Amino acid sequence: EPEVTQTPSHQVTQMGQEVILRCVPISNHLYFYWYRQILGQKVEFLVSFYNNEISEKSEIFDDQFSVERPDGSNFTLKIRSTKLEDSAMYFCASLFPAGEGSPLHFGNGTRLTVT
Amino acid sequence: KQEVTQIPAALSVPEGENLVLNCSFTDSAIYNLQWFRQDPGKGLTSLLLIQSSQREQTSGRLNASLDKSSGRSTLYIAASQPGDSATYLCAVAGRTALIFGKGTTLSVSS
Repeated sequence: EPEVTQTPSHQVTQMGQEVILRCVPISNHLYFYWYRQILGQKVEFLVSFYNNEISEKSEIFDDQFSVERPDGSNFTLKIRSTKLEDSAMYFCASLFPAGEGSPLHFGNGTRLTVT
Repeated sequence: KQEVTQIPAALSVPEGENLVLNCSFTDSAIYNLQWFRQDPGKGLTSLLLIQSSQREQTSGRLNASLDKSSGRSTLYIAASQPGDSATYLCAVAGRTALIFGKGTTLSVSS
């Protein structure tokens, strides 16, 4: 069964550094998402992406964040200047829009640790 | 703004028990509701999806129900096993992106 693939599985970075989290969504999917989960807290929506542009974003997704689909297969989340509070598990997800029965497919996540 | 609440936050049961996890949501204008399983430090595994027009879905020992008008869903786990120990997340898809509850952490003892 096709999967959403995320790399790396764990990234450690110093405060103030830029990080790029990478995702390969399922190939025929059209909607792409980033979510994050701070340790012990709920999974939170960051941003959705469709037709090469952001379709929705949460208040968490400020100017420090950006997303890009640089080619036909990758979907990236960039954090420009990381803060300690950016430490979290980041999940990528993709969706093929087929009505109410369309499930969101998640990757296994990238654990980001900011020191 | 959609809010999703899960009760209880944690649950411990002996092996073999049947159990029910509860999820409630504030905005009934939903497309579907998904139940996920999350093992510690791991990703999200989709268990069941119920469309807004459906009342329930079954997969093996799992049965999920949906009452859209009252904003409630339940996940029923039959004959629980130690391998069922995990956090179970309810998530609602509506006008906005998928919104998650905080989850119920289940521990099944042998």
